[in-house]
Amino acid sequence: DTAVSQTPKYLVTQMGNDKSIKCEQNLGHDTMYWYKQDSKKFLKIMFSYNNKELIINETVPNRFSPKSPDKAHLNLHINSLELGDSAVYFCASSQSVRQPQHFGDGTRLSIL
Amino acid sequence: KNQVEQSPQSLIILEGKNCTLQCNYTVSPFSNLRWYKQDTGRGPVSLTIMTFSENTKSNGRYTATLDADTKQSSLHITASQLSDSASYICVVSGAGGSYIPTFGRGTSLIVHP
Repeated sequence: DTAVSQTPKYLVTQMGNDKSIKCEQNLGHDTMYWYKQDSKKFLKIMFSYNNKELIINETVPNRFSPKSPDKAHLNLHINSLELGDSAVYFCASSQSVRQPQHFGDGTRLSIL
Repeated sequence: KNQVEQSPQSLIILEGKNCTLQCNYTVSPFSNLRWYKQDTGRGPVSLTIMTFSENTKSNGRYTATLDADTKQSSLHITASQLSDSASYICVVSGAGGSYIPTFGRGTSLIVHP
């Protein structure tokens, strides 16, 4: 029944590795997002897709590449992981950019 | 630069008491303001959303107010419960074609028995 589901929930990996986080929503929403929440709990938007098209791309390093195979999925691939990438990454979706967003429970990424 | 400032940063209250959280913003032009509740280890959950013409909106024991002239919002929690312990985040969205929500840093609320 989970509306927005992210996998994995926890991700522990070494610096320099490449990893992916998957997100799926079953709400029929048109818009999906990726957020980063740092150690001070500050949520910052990274990307947003509307009907598989990129509409928001904040100042995120090129090592981060979102991919939306269809409007129910928005995956996040990260190359050459760095210590500063350690954070909780949240996926969210909404019917449109002006509607409330439904968040997943986050992926806790720890870089060793 | 669009900003959302929340106060207090943290708050401790006793169960059953009321409390009010504040949110000031500089986002312009304004589209809507949302309050989210984020439990520890979970994603944020939407509590209320208000547009320019709405002054108040309730969701159970949560009541949000909006003064678009002074660019201030508050979230009032009535008869607090232990389950209200969470972080409350104010998010403001601008109008226009380029939509990017601006998040506040949140107020951490702890309700003690």
